[in-house]
Amino acid sequence: QKEVEQNSGPLSVPEGAIASLNCTYSDRGSQSFFWYRQYSGKSPELIMSIYSNGDKEDGRFTAQLNKASQYVSLLIRDSQPSDSATYLCAVPWGAGSYQLTFGKGTKLSVIP
Amino acid sequence: DGGITQSPKYLFRKEGQNVTLSCEQNLNHDAMYWYRQDPGQGLRLIYYSQIVNDFQKGDIAEGYSVSREKKESFPLTVTSAQKNPTAFYLCASHFFGTDEAFFGQGTRLTVV
Repeated sequence: QKEVEQNSGPLSVPEGAIASLNCTYSDRGSQSFFWYRQYSGKSPELIMSIYSNGDKEDGRFTAQLNKASQYVSLLIRDSQPSDSATYLCAVPWGAGSYQLTFGKGTKLSVIP
Repeated sequence: DGGITQSPKYLFRKEGQNVTLSCEQNLNHDAMYWYRQDPGQGLRLIYYSQIVNDFQKGDIAEGYSVSREKKESFPLTVTSAQKNPTAFYLCASHFFGTDEAFFGQGTRLTVV
């Protein structure tokens, strides 16, 4: 059974602070990890992908991966009210395909 | 513009009815997927298709059916056997060898 676990939140941070979102996964063989952002009533959009242990930075976003601990996180620096959304962690499985197992998502609120 | 289009945006179903949700993409993507999202939940995979005339069940296929007669189209039928169909349905497509799955705007189905 492939499982992806996230704290459901809500997580509230003041504007300008760092938001930290966490995700654990059950399949030790997983190689790819994705973070999607979903605004209320909208479809998810990919914001980060990470494949190797360590950090990957893209603008204000940093993804961190620790395969030994089966843990992946997303840091959002200088949080803005426009970052308020639900963040979904996703892990694909299935050789040659893209069947994503999603966590339940963490709802982030950035308070002005 | 290239993209993935779902219709209708809102759909109401009476008890005992079958309804079909449309999903069309002009991205030339090989793979297409249907996900279901319930409030406060992540996405769960219903069906997926990697090539025309072939599709596979996902985690929650019971009460649903699909077809893939054309590469561009992957309609989902919610049958009367699906006892709790009220949810947000998302269609996605993916080009093999790339990271990103593109999502349609979703169809919100309500049983009345």
